[in-house]
Amino acid sequence: QSALTQPASVSGSPGQSITISCTGTSSDVGSYNFVSWYQHHPGKAPKLMIYEGSKRPSGVSNRFSGSKSGNTASLTISGLQAEDEADYYCCSFVGPSTYVFGTGTKVTVL
Amino acid sequence: QVHLVQSGAEVKKPGASVKVSCKASGYTFSNSYMHWVRQAPGQGLEWMGLINLSDSSISYAQNLKGRVTMTRDTSTSTVYMELSSLRSEDTAVYYCAREMYDNTWSKAFDMWGQGTMVTVSS
Repeated sequence: QSALTQPASVSGSPGQSITISCTGTSSDVGSYNFVSWYQHHPGKAPKLMIYEGSKRPSGVSNRFSGSKSGNTASLTISGLQAEDEADYYCCSFVGPSTYVFGTGTKVTVL
Repeated sequence: QVHLVQSGAEVKKPGASVKVSCKASGYTFSNSYMHWVRQAPGQGLEWMGLINLSDSSISYAQNLKGRVTMTRDTSTSTVYMELSSLRSEDTAVYYCAREMYDNTWSKAFDMWGQGTMVTVSS
């Protein structure tokens, strides 16, 4: 199973919106509504930001939203803040009982 | 609250094995799935496998089959990940991560251990 494809980097100014894509195939992202997104600051444990494609866990800011179209899932961060600067990874269930992560995207707040 | 506490850093020689532990607290241990994820230096996250804590059934990533073993001890609420025939490419931070339950198993990881650095070097 190959890693899902994400852009290596995305940047934006404070207050702007950015979108990170996560492209898979009809066998993974396109087949299941089980894409999750993680924020990862270096040296810390990853944090779940979005699950089941568009649901936000309790405590996660509503500035983070997820969606999917075909074989591509997306994470949008609106009202970009300095604290959002981190690495972001998508992850998809690819069945049966198997998962794959995306290649990761470094978000820079200019 | 929920805590996952992992064992400390390890340094191993190529060809050796390493066993990392993950002790859970704050929730019903036996009614969950635990996953293992690793991150090599400068690389992305890699899913390694999962263990069903109710019946010990497992699923491993294809590229690790034959080298990885995941087990659990319900008496101590601890999960173990053992990786054998270590090579330099296995140098990474290893994380345990609990699968989220939200009316159904959400196939997402809502709680993570702090990570365990495993260094493979001669």
